[in-house]
Amino acid sequence: TQLLEQSPQFLSIQEGENLTVYCNSSSVFSSLQWYRQEPGEGPVLLVTVVTGGEVKKLKRLTFQFGDARKDSSLHITAAQPGDTGLYLCAGAIIGSARQLTFGSGTQLTVLP
Amino acid sequence: DTGVSQDPRHKITKRGQNVTFRCDPISEHNRLYWYRQTLGQGPEFLTYFQNEAQLEKSRLLSDRFSAERPKGSFSTLEIQRTEQGDSAMYLCASSWKRDRRTDTQYFGPGTRLTVL
Repeated sequence: TQLLEQSPQFLSIQEGENLTVYCNSSSVFSSLQWYRQEPGEGPVLLVTVVTGGEVKKLKRLTFQFGDARKDSSLHITAAQPGDTGLYLCAGAIIGSARQLTFGSGTQLTVLP
Repeated sequence: DTGVSQDPRHKITKRGQNVTFRCDPISEHNRLYWYRQTLGQGPEFLTYFQNEAQLEKSRLLSDRFSAERPKGSFSTLEIQRTEQGDSAMYLCASSWKRDRRTDTQYFGPGTRLTVL
């Protein structure tokens, strides 16, 4: 059973389009992180959200944490080819020690 | 400000051999984690240290796997009698206990293990 469901699994769009990636769970998270990973490299942190309903912006990226701290979304405005990569959500489930539970990732390809 | 480093970046070994990986965390971080990632999947937790104490181990960590963090600084992950199913990217992460809610983990570049 996947504790963190991430969708879509694959996304291919044209440069300039907008997109949203979703991360859902039945578990409550004390915090949730979004990472981006390039082939052959480790995940690079984009953002941490902690408070239910929290919205954070990082240039063209907008991250939202659900009110109940069970889900999150990543919205990219006017995607660019440099946004291509694997986007991973990961959460620290309350009561499950310190390890992160990861979604299976969204492979984004932005075509010029 | 140096990030998490891992060595080697790539390791090719024959089935049955032992391998050891090293992780150097961000210097002020007291928590260190090992994860394993296979193709098309997100990382899966293996084990976690706070300072030199190993506080949590996943059921994925069979008795062929052992991790240490002497003196609470760098860590090593050893796999004995490697099997082809051990082929994966092994990721190390570190964090600083700021408070119970914001325990953000920063990852190293990983060690890609291929068992022939």
